[in-house]
Amino acid sequence: GENVEQHPSTLSVQEGDSAVIKCTYSDSASNYFPWYKQELGKRPQLIIDIRSNVGEKKDQRIAVTLNKTAKHFSLHITETQPEDSAVYFCAASFISGNTGKLIFGQGTTLQVKP
Amino acid sequence: DVKVTQSSRYLVKRTGEKVFLECVQDMDHENMFWYRQDPGLGLRLIYFSYDVKMKEKGDIPEGYSVSREKKERFSLILESASTNQTSMYLCASLAPSGGNEKLFFGSGTQLSVL
Repeated sequence: GENVEQHPSTLSVQEGDSAVIKCTYSDSASNYFPWYKQELGKRPQLIIDIRSNVGEKKDQRIAVTLNKTAKHFSLHITETQPEDSAVYFCAASFISGNTGKLIFGQGTTLQVKP
Repeated sequence: DVKVTQSSRYLVKRTGEKVFLECVQDMDHENMFWYRQDPGLGLRLIYFSYDVKMKEKGDIPEGYSVSREKKERFSLILESASTNQTSMYLCASLAPSGGNEKLFFGSGTQLSVL
């Protein structure tokens, strides 16, 4: 079935450093790849997304890259700050019946040390 | 702003009980989803619905059923709760596609089955 693998499961960086989280997906028909951030005790929130017709997208300190051939995509956070500490989930959109569904990766717990 | 409301934040049930988790969204979204969240496993899709009375199995439907009698309400049912169903359950609704497939999550229900 459809699958999304996410690495690493935990990531600890010093404030100001960059953080990179990587995901691979199984279905070559996937065409939408969002990233969600979940702060402790809160619901996941969309932070950035990318479609399959684009190779890279940037929004201030966060960027996402997509390699369709290799079926992997990555989240890049530059100049990390303590408030970036959270669990990050990647997802890929699979078409099933009349709707698309999002399949999520296992999550990465990012800790930014002051 | 879209509101997805889950009826209970915390629930404690006994093994064998029938459990209902309720979710209501106020944005007339057609697509609704139930995920469970477990440490190290990410968000796993249980069931989803793309229209009233329509449902499709996700990746882990065993032991669960769903009901979508009205567009705004999507219920998850544990027919006979078991201890391995202790988890955080997240409901979500999907904004229309055509450039925006954003998932809006509820605040979650932490279910403990004793």
